[in-house]
Amino acid sequence: SYELTQPPSVSVSPGQTADITCSGHKLVDKYVSWYQQRPGQSPVTVIYEDNKRPSGIPERFSGSNSGNTATLTISGTQAMDEADYYCQAWDSSIIFGGGTKLTVL
Amino acid sequence: QVLLVQSGAEMRKPGASVNLSCKASGYTFSSYYMHWVRQAPGQGLEWMGIINPTGGSTNYAQKFQGRVNMTRDTSTSTVYMALSGLTSDDTAVYYCARATAVKTMESIGYWGQGILVTVSS
Repeated sequence: SYELTQPPSVSVSPGQTADITCSGHKLVDKYVSWYQQRPGQSPVTVIYEDNKRPSGIPERFSGSNSGNTATLTISGTQAMDEADYYCQAWDSSIIFGGGTKLTVL
Repeated sequence: QVLLVQSGAEMRKPGASVNLSCKASGYTFSSYYMHWVRQAPGQGLEWMGIINPTGGSTNYAQKFQGRVNMTRDTSTSTVYMALSGLTSDDTAVYYCARATAVKTMESIGYWGQGILVTVSS
């Protein structure tokens, strides 16, 4: 079965750029979405189809997908961006990565 | 705006069943697939399955085959997810989640508020 691998944690200083990676076999052949989940809240879609932002999502969120790795980039990271982030792809079913805890310190 | 309003928290004993609801509004119900995703305490997201509101066809994750049943009521724009044979491992928050785009199933655009299901004797 298809698997997506994320680093368990990423740390970033306020105002800096955070990159969260998601790895999977020939991931470039699939669309990747990213979901943000703050503690105690439902997930929110921040990126879909590799690099599209839903309305209302700040421009500091961007995505890319190349080879075996997709990346969620948060530019000018803010304290409010501290959350768990999950990547997701489709392989005859929804596949989620294990999630990455982003710490802003 | 798109809203997915789920029913309230549930508590069940092992071996019991639970039926969760998710009422959609703010869009054309029949045009978007609906997913169910769950999250055990402190764990990641786990996909359970999907239902096509047009016709009611379903596709379940292999892990839940034989134990899950997803249905819909187009007259009330509501989807339901029934899970039987509950064990403590089924204790989780259950989310309904609408697909991103019309007639596509590959990603999720909107999430419900979640329902906590607790299974305990």
